[in-house]
Amino acid sequence: NAGVTQTPKFRVLKTGQSMTLLCAQDMNHEYMYWYRQDPGMGLRLIHYSVGEGTTAKGEVPDGYNVSRLKKQNFLLGLESAAPSQTSVYFCASSWSPGSPNQPQHFGDGTRLSIL
Amino acid sequence: ELKVEQNPLFLSMQEGKNYTIYCNYSTTSDRLYWYRQDPGKSLESLFVLLSNGAVKQEGRLMASLDTKARLSTLHITAAVHDLSATYFCAVDPDSSYKLIFGSGTRLLVRP
Repeated sequence: NAGVTQTPKFRVLKTGQSMTLLCAQDMNHEYMYWYRQDPGMGLRLIHYSVGEGTTAKGEVPDGYNVSRLKKQNFLLGLESAAPSQTSVYFCASSWSPGSPNQPQHFGDGTRLSIL
Repeated sequence: ELKVEQNPLFLSMQEGKNYTIYCNYSTTSDRLYWYRQDPGKSLESLFVLLSNGAVKQEGRLMASLDTKARLSTLHITAAVHDLSATYFCAVDPDSSYKLIFGSGTRLLVRP
């Protein structure tokens, strides 16, 4: 009964380094999302995907790239990390908007620090 | 630009008391979600409100939605310490599942 699994849970990077965050869901959800959460703020949508092979920009996409090669996985990449990208990153998944009574399901988050 | 505003941002209340958290949003939305987040943890879905006048209750929490006023409330009845958490509302303005979150209300229930 895993739900949405994010790896890694913690990571410290130096400015300019690259890394990929992995999100996996086992609920056969069509939609997947990446959010960031900064202190004292709500979650902000970075990128999302409406199905395998599709991606789209959210509210704050700059500095990030994503890929959805398999339905169950959604990858978030930082090509050249900057201190402003220090944040907690949450992945979520859901059914399509045709099932609005089903909320988004969230992973446990990845705490990322950029030095 | 769509804005989702919650108030208060911080609430310290005694056990046994009642209180209401407000969520105002600036554009039309027929869908509103409430989530709970414990410190260092993920978000847990509490309520999904899909129509004007919708009211849902779970234990000591009751949520309502007034789409005409662009307002949702989360009412806490006889608070207990276990309700201490941060509560977020989120709207889905174009029914696309791209949620816009409020800043959250941090609730602390004191003995």
